[in-house]
Amino acid sequence: DAKTTQPPSMDCAEGRAANLPCNHSTISGNEYVYWYRQIHSQGPQYIIHGLKNNETNEMASLIITEDRKSSTLILPHATLRDTAVYYCIVRDSNSGYALNFGKGTSLLVTP
Amino acid sequence: DTGVSQDPRHKITKRGQNVTFRCDPISEHNRLYWYRQTLGQGPEFLTYFQNEAQLEKSRLLSDRFSAERPKGSFSTLEIQRTEQGDSAMYLCASSPQTPIGNTIYFGEGSWLTVV
Repeated sequence: DAKTTQPPSMDCAEGRAANLPCNHSTISGNEYVYWYRQIHSQGPQYIIHGLKNNETNEMASLIITEDRKSSTLILPHATLRDTAVYYCIVRDSNSGYALNFGKGTSLLVTP
Repeated sequence: DTGVSQDPRHKITKRGQNVTFRCDPISEHNRLYWYRQTLGQGPEFLTYFQNEAQLEKSRLLSDRFSAERPKGSFSTLEIQRTEQGDSAMYLCASSPQTPIGNTIYFGEGSWLTVV
């Protein structure tokens, strides 16, 4: 079973920041949090990952709480092309660190 | 393009036929993963390889499913005696040998329709 909990859907206006939350209360000390997204009919696309510290790259920022039990993915200026399903994942050490996907959050960016 | 490559992208087959999908991982990636994704669900892990060794296969859906990676480079996923319930997208992914903190990259998937 997935170790993470995400809201099933969210809306965001184009140009605004999209903040996608994720709970991972059972995360272990050495487990990373990964975020992927999947645009309809395409393979999952890597966004960002982190362990303890906040991370930022050209796509997004990842804010991890100090107790590591939750995190937030931030898309600073959402565009229509950011409409996708976003997955927050903690890797499964029992399956070769395969990504264990849940159902994710379906983000709809509106004009 | 140096990403994960999958072939064919789409396959329509009759029930009872065998199908095979091929995956070419990113060069020098030792780990290779197979997933299945049905409509409305997230990808479901099936199996993975470390070089040519298949280290986890208990999550393969049935004994009709098998995977190989004979030379530690490309991999194949075969489904024998296909059933309509096998209709799905089959995803391949690869990552460097040391998984902790590294990224898994996915291909665009192979769509299977069993009629």
